[in-house]
Amino acid sequence: QKEVEQNSGPLSVPEGAIASLNCTYSDRGSQSFFWYRQYSGKSPELIMFIYSNGDKEDGRFTAQLNKASQYVSLLIRDSQPSDSATYLCAEFSGNTGKLIFGQGTTLQVKP
Amino acid sequence: EAGVAQSPRYKIIEKRQSVAFWCNPISGHATLYWYQQILGQGPKLLIQFQNNGVVDDSQLPKDRFSAERLKGVDSTLKIQPAKLEDSAVYLCASSLHREETQYFGPGTRLLVL
Repeated sequence: QKEVEQNSGPLSVPEGAIASLNCTYSDRGSQSFFWYRQYSGKSPELIMFIYSNGDKEDGRFTAQLNKASQYVSLLIRDSQPSDSATYLCAEFSGNTGKLIFGQGTTLQVKP
Repeated sequence: EAGVAQSPRYKIIEKRQSVAFWCNPISGHATLYWYQQILGQGPKLLIQFQNNGVVDDSQLPKDRFSAERLKGVDSTLKIQPAKLEDSAVYLCASSLHREETQYFGPGTRLLVL
């Protein structure tokens, strides 16, 4: 049974700081991952997709994948109060199209 | 481009009653997914359709849940009879093809009393 684990938090950071969100996974064969953001009462919205080892940057967001250690992380630079949300990590199987989500980490950015 | 549409947005029923949810995916998207998200948890896949065929329904409680996607476009998810533990948000998502990014609808929030 594949598993994706996240610390539920809440993770609290001051405005302007770097928020670091982590995710570990059980299947060593997992190839790719999505990060989604979910505001309270809303549906998940796509932030980033990463499938190769190393870093991938998009604006204030950087996703990191380390297949040897089986973890994925999301860094948010210059955190804003509007970044306060739950961040969902999901393992993606390209063959089946199946997403396996972690429980999500709640981020609170304090002004 | 219109996103994934779902209705109703909210539903309150009593246990043992039946309920149905409707989803209209993004135009042209072949793959459609139904997820259940219980409060404090990540979404869990219930069923995946490719056009009008079922690809994966391994986590669908088939004694009470059913789903269909007639004509490969709209889909309905039904629960009959509902239990208290079915209280959750039911999310529909679609992707152009199964190896592509999934886009989520606004969800239907179900409360079973």
